[in-house]
Amino acid sequence: ETGVTQTPRHLVMGMTNKKSLKCEQHLGHNAMYWYKQSAKKPLELMFVYNFKEQTENNSVPSRFSPECPNSSHLFLHLHTLQPEDSALYLCASSQDLGSSEYFGPGTRLTVT
Amino acid sequence: EDKVVQSPLSLVVHEGDTVTLNCSYEVTNFRSLLWYKQEKKAPTFLFMLTSSGIEKKSGRLSSILDKKELFSILNITATQTGDSAVYLCAVGLYNFNKFYFGSGTKLNVKP
Repeated sequence: ETGVTQTPRHLVMGMTNKKSLKCEQHLGHNAMYWYKQSAKKPLELMFVYNFKEQTENNSVPSRFSPECPNSSHLFLHLHTLQPEDSALYLCASSQDLGSSEYFGPGTRLTVT
Repeated sequence: EDKVVQSPLSLVVHEGDTVTLNCSYEVTNFRSLLWYKQEKKAPTFLFMLTSSGIEKKSGRLSSILDKKELFSILNITATQTGDSAVYLCAVGLYNFNKFYFGSGTKLNVKP
């Protein structure tokens, strides 16, 4: 399997649930990103990792917790989310920071 | 009303030139300013700026934020044809669900 994969593709969770989104890239890239895309809005950068180290946190609320165990995998742990957190969560990777990014298909999250 | 304004809207230069792109903003509860490069599909992240006066640099690109005068600049030195793209500025607010993109600066670098 090649490219950037994300699981699950769809997720419905209650406000008290804890869930995790997974992203995996098979491109040998060094940088990985989490983006949020709300309905009818442009992408918003959430976190940036470079060589497994978090380099940017766009002041994301602590109910979103990223984890990057290695350069190929990126997780987004979710807990006590709000309905306004419902959105498409996209993972991307690039060879290095500033290189062209390759996006996964996204996880469509609905918080009820 | 919150807004983000980029200038110039378009720019044509020759290889080797240095360019400065501008982004000014008027928002409440400023959180961060981001620069992106967009060539075809989704934008490519360049810089995130949250503090005034601290220059961020990546190769020939650099950027700095002035939170007092409410603007940021993106500098590209020794431009190459591969730098041709639309450069987007985005400003995020502390309301996590709100952020604003400028209209972009279209840069064309000629050989």
